[in-house]
Amino acid sequence: GAGVSQSPRYKVAKRGQDVALRCDPISGHVSLFWYQQALGQGPEFLTYFQNEAQLDKSGLPSDRFFAERPEGSVSTLKIQRTQQEDSAVYLCASSSARQAQNEKLFFGSGTQLSVL
Amino acid sequence: DQQVKQNSPSLSVQEGRISILNCDYTNSMFDYFLWYKKYPAEGPTFLISISSIKDKNEDGRFTVFLNKSAKHLSLHIVPSQPGDSAVYFCAASGYSSNTGKLIFGQGTTLQVKP
Repeated sequence: GAGVSQSPRYKVAKRGQDVALRCDPISGHVSLFWYQQALGQGPEFLTYFQNEAQLDKSGLPSDRFFAERPEGSVSTLKIQRTQQEDSAVYLCASSSARQAQNEKLFFGSGTQLSVL
Repeated sequence: DQQVKQNSPSLSVQEGRISILNCDYTNSMFDYFLWYKKYPAEGPTFLISISSIKDKNEDGRFTVFLNKSAKHLSLHIVPSQPGDSAVYFCAASGYSSNTGKLIFGQGTTLQVKP
């Protein structure tokens, strides 16, 4: 595709439910990031993949959050036993660069998660 | 602890005038700074960046200024256009990070009135 694609666009979950959010990065992009954006705030880093390797997961808020990118392309962010504080927009971004050439970071439109 | 701060939640300017968006940071290890623009229901898009070895970078109507001693950067848009109305995020990273993760400010909503 032309850009980073995320699905679903919106997700409503009941408290305690598990959810899975998908990210299709730009084809061939090596680096993939997940960010969480709460209402009225800037995006906050969650985790980073270089190909299939998860090199940084320091931003994941709890062990209920899990991300994978098994074949180095599509990535899934899974949240187990969702809580109301997990309500946010989850943004995926990809880059062709291996290191901190952040001007080449392309963001998807995000998945808006609402936990009731 | 907010390492990157945008203290003005909103800014309104007249079309054709200058828009100045400000950003402060606390971490002296940051050495690369970026501005992203976000329209509703879309992801952020890269606008302009600056390395800490420079104090100014210009791209068309957009100029970013960096004052390292004050730990302050600003984005100037001249002349402002109604299509510039969006949320602007300041972001920072450090070359010491091997992942290139960005630390974002809270954002400033710019409204350019026709």
